[in-house]
Amino acid sequence: GAVVSQHPSWVICKSGTSVKIECRSLDFQATTMFWYRQFPKQSLMLMATSNEGSKATYEQGVEKDKFLINHASLTLSTLTVTSAHPEDSSFYICSARAGALGYTFGSGTRLTVV
Amino acid sequence: GEDVEQSLFLSVREGDSSVINCTYTDSSSTYLYWYKQEPGAGLQLLTYIFSNMDMKQDQRLTVLLNKKDKHLSLRIADTQTGDSAIYFCAESVTNAGKSTFGDGTTLTVKP
Repeated sequence: GAVVSQHPSWVICKSGTSVKIECRSLDFQATTMFWYRQFPKQSLMLMATSNEGSKATYEQGVEKDKFLINHASLTLSTLTVTSAHPEDSSFYICSARAGALGYTFGSGTRLTVV
Repeated sequence: GEDVEQSLFLSVREGDSSVINCTYTDSSSTYLYWYKQEPGAGLQLLTYIFSNMDMKQDQRLTVLLNKKDKHLSLRIADTQTGDSAIYFCAESVTNAGKSTFGDGTTLTVKP
């Protein structure tokens, strides 16, 4: 089946540094990928929609200069958390539409900013 | 905007059936999904149903949709301890657009 590979699975970084999270569609082309953030014991919050070859569409309240999204190819989308702060610590998940139905999710990235 | 609601917790005994309920507000929702999330992992699509369907069965899973009441349920037959996880329902208007998720129902299966 369709697989989205997300890396890294977890990362710890110092406050003020930037972290890049990658999502790759392994056996299909993903024109659109979605980036979600999940707080502990809470649902997924859509952050942005990443479109191949064009600018990402950010949800209201999400800082586009802080969460940089690049979708340069049909199989790769990246989310860069710039100048990370402890409040950015969260679980970030990407997803892509796989085929005619449903979405395939990456395994998520646990970001901890210290 | 769209809203999807679920009860937060459900506890059942192994071998019993589990029923997880979900309500949504967007009458134009066309695609309705159930996802499973195990601790520290991403979401796994369990099943889906189109809005023009009333029921869908897939092995131990049965999805019921009451479009009039905007109510969706997931029934897991013969629940096993491996079914313990968080279950999210989600809806989308198109099959290529963004999904709106409920807050998730934590299912605990006791031996």
